[in-house]
Amino acid sequence: DGGITQSPKYLFRKEGQNVTLSCEQNLNHDAMYWYRQDPGQGLRLIYYSQIVNDFQKGDIAEGYSVSREKKESFPLTVTSAQKNPTAFYLCASSSAGGWDTQYFGPGTRLTVL
Amino acid sequence: SQKIEQNSEALNIQEGKTATLTCNYTNYSPAYLQWYRQDPGRGPVFLLLIRENEKEKRKERLKVTFDTTLKQSLFHITASQPADSATYLCALEFFYGGSQGNLIFGKGTKLSVKP
Repeated sequence: DGGITQSPKYLFRKEGQNVTLSCEQNLNHDAMYWYRQDPGQGLRLIYYSQIVNDFQKGDIAEGYSVSREKKESFPLTVTSAQKNPTAFYLCASSSAGGWDTQYFGPGTRLTVL
Repeated sequence: SQKIEQNSEALNIQEGKTATLTCNYTNYSPAYLQWYRQDPGRGPVFLLLIRENEKEKRKERLKVTFDTTLKQSLFHITASQPADSATYLCALEFFYGGSQGNLIFGKGTKLSVKP
């Protein structure tokens, strides 16, 4: 089955620890994105990548880092510099052309204790 | 800066009625407007896309309209069912100077369809 997967679904971490969220897609899409969703808020763009080995900051990149070494994978690291990391994180992908219809993963809910 | 507003946080309707959700934007006109459905604890799922030169788009019981004069899109679900209960997000894609811009999401409207 084609799709986009995120793991784990739930993640708990202690304050001050870095944590990496996984995102994998087998849709052969060039573009991938990371969003953050808080209760009562819209999706906010963290980072995006339109091609392998290249990525750009979104609206709220501070405290986050990404890599795009393979077309299929776009992991997100939430660093200890992120002031309020507890949130629902969504990964998405789209075909060449960047900002067309986006296909979302199931999300990872991160809770920092 | 560009703003997008979905007028209602929540909308409650009776089964069989038509649900109408509103999405308004300010400043620049978007090149595309998309609607997504999101169920609790899950990722959004794409429903419909409408371009700035299109007035209306339909897909089964769904209809989207796009009025660039009013800077508004309406999303209709006819003959609504309890299974339509979810949060619906609108998203706008803007092009600045001929290049691709950002996809901006609204906060969503939570629709509840009562049997």
